[in-house]
Amino acid sequence: NAGVTQTPKFRVLKTGQSMTLLCAQDMNHEYMYWYRQDPGMGLRLIHYSVGEGTTAKGEVPDGYNVSRLKKQNFLLGLESAAPSQTSVYFCASSYGTGGWTDTQYFGPGTRLTVL
Amino acid sequence: GDSVTQMEGPVTLSEEAFLTINCTYTATGYPSLFWYVQYPGEGLQLLLKATKADDKGSNKGFEATYRKETTSFHLEKGSVQVSDSAVYFCALIDTGKLIFGQGTTLQVKP
Repeated sequence: NAGVTQTPKFRVLKTGQSMTLLCAQDMNHEYMYWYRQDPGMGLRLIHYSVGEGTTAKGEVPDGYNVSRLKKQNFLLGLESAAPSQTSVYFCASSYGTGGWTDTQYFGPGTRLTVL
Repeated sequence: GDSVTQMEGPVTLSEEAFLTINCTYTATGYPSLFWYVQYPGEGLQLLLKATKADDKGSNKGFEATYRKETTSFHLEKGSVQVSDSAVYFCALIDTGKLIFGQGTTLQVKP
């Protein structure tokens, strides 16, 4: 049982390049989330999904897109990276039976630098 | 909107010292409150939670009591260890999403 895994762990992009971050969970969770963590600002929700085939915007969705084609995977895409997207990205998942109050399980993070 | 405010860090303590990390919140309803911990190089883990006023969450020697009258959820531990060195995040869920504070770094020295 690997829990929540994220790939890659580190990535450096140039401004304007695109990339996709992959999140996978093996706990059969319904809800999945993408957060970004910036110094002094805690974690902020980018996008989330309450089930396979669904996605919704969080607090800071601009510049990102997501897809949940399979229940166990949640992809975060950057179409044209900007230096302001330099951050640590965390994926999380939860059962969803208790709605938003369920415990969220976090992946180890992806450190992204945009030059 | 909803928000969480934590005490500024870093907090540096000697082993076996008493720990308090202050957390206050603003919410329109009756939120559930959480403390998450992030060890170096890892993702966040739930440390404890409380879902209603006067509830006390506890885990691994850490405690926090949901105080509605002071809108607070301070984290305490009676005797910290070097292995407690980490970043601690207070968070709430009210009308929907999980809202985090900015995090407080704890460093415990032998």
